[in-house]
Amino acid sequence: DIQMTQSPSSLSASVGDRVTITCRASQGINYYLAWYQQKPGRVPQLLIYAASTLQSGVPSRFSGSGSGTDFTLTISSLQPEDVATYYCQKYNSAPYTFGQGTKLEIK
Amino acid sequence: EVQVVESGGGLVQPGGSLRLSCAASGFTFSSYAMTWVRQAPGKGLEWVSAMSGSGDRTYHADSVKGRFTISRDNSKNTLYLQMNSLRAEDTAIYYCAKGGSYYVDYWFDPWGQGTLVTVSS
Repeated sequence: DIQMTQSPSSLSASVGDRVTITCRASQGINYYLAWYQQKPGRVPQLLIYAASTLQSGVPSRFSGSGSGTDFTLTISSLQPEDVATYYCQKYNSAPYTFGQGTKLEIK
Repeated sequence: EVQVVESGGGLVQPGGSLRLSCAASGFTFSSYAMTWVRQAPGKGLEWVSAMSGSGDRTYHADSVKGRFTISRDNSKNTLYLQMNSLRAEDTAIYYCAKGGSYYVDYWFDPWGQGTLVTVSS
């Protein structure tokens, strides 16, 4: 099975910073990658699908890129409401594995 | 409004069974794949099971294969997860989510609020 590895596992950044989270697949998955945001105590929400397509209603400071095995989620200007754990997920075929998560905090 | 609402969670003894339900509304249920994802306390997300819109294709994670069964009743707009031979490590919040298409190989959105399953004696 394909493994999904996120880095870093946690990070702390200041408001206004540019933040980048990386997700690596152990084998190529083309562009079949989604990113989810889970705020503390809340339900996961879809941010990005097809590696770079922003879900409706998601602020434009979020962006995704990559294909094959290497993907990134970027927040162009970190806001306090972005405190959350972020997960990548492959969906090219079952099993639809998630990354281990990246916990983002405000410095 | 597209909505999915889980129910059926609770406390069950090891080796016991439980059936979760997920009631869907706001979309043509039979036109979309559905999935179950779980999250153990303080842990990350783990995909559990998925089913295509008509129910002709089903997939389960290795960790639950042979013990859990996903099913759906399109006449009732409801997804199910039958969980047998439950173990302590199955303790988690179980989320139901709508797939992005009829086929299973798509993203999940939206997710329900989840239902807590606790396996303990």
